[in-house]
Amino acid sequence: GQSLEQPSEVTAVEGAIVQINCTYQTSGFYGLSWYQQHDGGAPTFLSYNALDGLEETGRFSSFLSRSDSYGYLLLQELQMKDSASYFCAVRDDYKLSFGAGTTVTVRA
Amino acid sequence: DVKVTQSSRYLVKRTGEKVFLECVQDMDHENMFWYRQDPGLGLRLIYFSYDVKMKEKGDIPEGYSVSREKKERFSLILESASTNQTSMYLCASTEAGESHEQYFGPGTRLTVT
Repeated sequence: GQSLEQPSEVTAVEGAIVQINCTYQTSGFYGLSWYQQHDGGAPTFLSYNALDGLEETGRFSSFLSRSDSYGYLLLQELQMKDSASYFCAVRDDYKLSFGAGTTVTVRA
Repeated sequence: DVKVTQSSRYLVKRTGEKVFLECVQDMDHENMFWYRQDPGLGLRLIYFSYDVKMKEKGDIPEGYSVSREKKERFSLILESASTNQTSMYLCASTEAGESHEQYFGPGTRLTVT
């Protein structure tokens, strides 16, 4: 089975940088995905790391270390619209197993 | 744009009723998924399907069944609804081999009383 851990809440001010860590234990691993979910909305895909290293997509970056079973999502230049829940998810062949989510609150 | 639609946004059912949740995707995706989302527990996979008439149990299949008679449609069935099945139900789809990038529907908030 899969087990993922991520912090439950993070609060930061506009313009700041936030790092959301995700550690996992898995019986099969293809890669690590990140999703964003605004309150009342559907989860939307942000990024995916299959190999070690950093992937950058605009203000968001995602990192993976397979040897450490660890990844993180980096949110830069925080904006109010970034207030949302963020989920890491381990890909195991056909499916994803999600973490419990991190609620990011951005304050003015 | 990929569009995943779910039959109802909100649903209220009584204990013991049979409940059908419908999901339709318009992108010819092979894979479809049903999750439930509860506070503090994230998204938990109930069932998934990688082809028409094919289904696989996820992490929490007890009390649920599914049907996929057509590629674009994946139904979740609660044979006899119970109060502990009160939850947000999310459907998702993805291309074959691309399960890391799933497209989600808006969700159905089911309340069982």
